[in-house]
Amino acid sequence: EPEVTQTPSHQVTQMGQEVILRCVPISNHLYFYWYRQILGQKVEFLVSFYNNEISEKSEIFDDQFSVERPDGSNFTLKIRSTKLEDSAMYFCASRRTGLGNSPLHFGNGTRLTVT
Amino acid sequence: GQQVMQIPQYQHVQEGEDFTTYCNSSTTLSNIQWYKQRPGGHPVFLIQLVKSGEVKKQKRLTFQFGEAKKNSSLHITATQTTDVGTYFCAGPYQAGTALIFGKGTTLSVSS
Repeated sequence: EPEVTQTPSHQVTQMGQEVILRCVPISNHLYFYWYRQILGQKVEFLVSFYNNEISEKSEIFDDQFSVERPDGSNFTLKIRSTKLEDSAMYFCASRRTGLGNSPLHFGNGTRLTVT
Repeated sequence: GQQVMQIPQYQHVQEGEDFTTYCNSSTTLSNIQWYKQRPGGHPVFLIQLVKSGEVKKQKRLTFQFGEAKKNSSLHITATQTTDVGTYFCAGPYQAGTALIFGKGTTLSVSS
């Protein structure tokens, strides 16, 4: 069964550094998302991406975040200047359509640790 | 702002007991989805409910969508150790395609 793949599985960075988290969504999916989950807490929506542009973003997704689909397969999340509170598990997800009956397929996540 | 709330936050049961988690939205939902996250894993889609008052079953799991489409529940009959994990409900975020998740209910089961 096709799956969403994320790399790296774990990223350690120092405060103030830039990180890029990478995702390869399922190939025939059109809608892409980033979520984050601080340890033991809720899954928080960051941003959705469709047709090569951001379609929605939450209040968490401020100017330090950006997303890009640099080629036909990768979908990246960049955090420009990491803060301690950015430490979390970051999940990429994709869905085939934007309709309500289309489930989100999540990757295994990248655990980001900011020191 | 838009919120999806779940209770309880944690539930511990003995194997064989039943379990229920409840989800409430501050707004009417066009649909609601349920996901399960095993410890150390990622959320995995379980089911979607669309119609007012809808009830769906998956083996020992029963999902309900309220008449007003603002609440939902997941009931597990005769829990097993394989049911361990966090169960999330999720509804549409504003008018778009993203989903907003509840805080989840973490189920632990002892044998």
